Amino acid sequence: DSGVTQTPKHLITATGQRVTLRCSPRSGDLSVYWYQQSLDQGLQFLIQYYNGEERAKGNILERFSAQQFPDLHSELNLSSLELGDSALYFCASSPGDRVSYGYTFGSGTRLTVV
Amino acid sequence: GDSVTQMEGPVTLSEEAFLTINCTYTATGYPSLFWYVQYPGEGLQLLLKATKADDKGSNKGFEATYRKETTSFHLEKGSVQVSDSAVYFCALSYSGGGADGLTFGKGTHLIIQP
Repeated sequence: DSGVTQTPKHLITATGQRVTLRCSPRSGDLSVYWYQQSLDQGLQFLIQYYNGEERAKGNILERFSAQQFPDLHSELNLSSLELGDSALYFCASSPGDRVSYGYTFGSGTRLTVV
Repeated sequence: GDSVTQMEGPVTLSEEAFLTINCTYTATGYPSLFWYVQYPGEGLQLLLKATKADDKGSNKGFEATYRKETTSFHLEKGSVQVSDSAVYFCALSYSGGGADGLTFGKGTHLIIQP
């Protein structure tokens, strides 16, 4: 157990729908990062939050959004889902706001859009 | 932009063989370099890292040296075990400037046969 908790583990939904993925960081970590892993694109950085504030943005679509709450858990919202959004979504956390501190990854949420 | 190139595999070796997984990168500035490992059904785990040129990262018998002159960070292990079978990702980040995510290679699938 890495200490980073992601729920749900699996999600199957239809095109056009909206889903919310949840992440609880490791105790004491202030940063949360979201990544998408797909067969064709590999691992892509989506977005980072640090202590409740958005800190960095990567290849995140406009249909996707995220937030980090006062208790430091984070949610990734995916809307108007398309077949191509099917992927593994990972959350990672770190103590500070610099990635060089090293991440701890959760075990991921597998999203299937049908 | 930044990129990481690594052999995709699968790489198949016999137990106790010597392992090298090549990783080269393209980046402006002086990134930190990482190797992550992903076991089936799990999230990524940090294996080792190096934050400046000529640094050697090591963990669990694996080593990699940050070579600025060849922009490489090859992963090596002297004697692999069946339990080393996994997907290995090379990644880079910036240690300076604003917070950012990691840029990952496509991953190398390693299969160790008894």
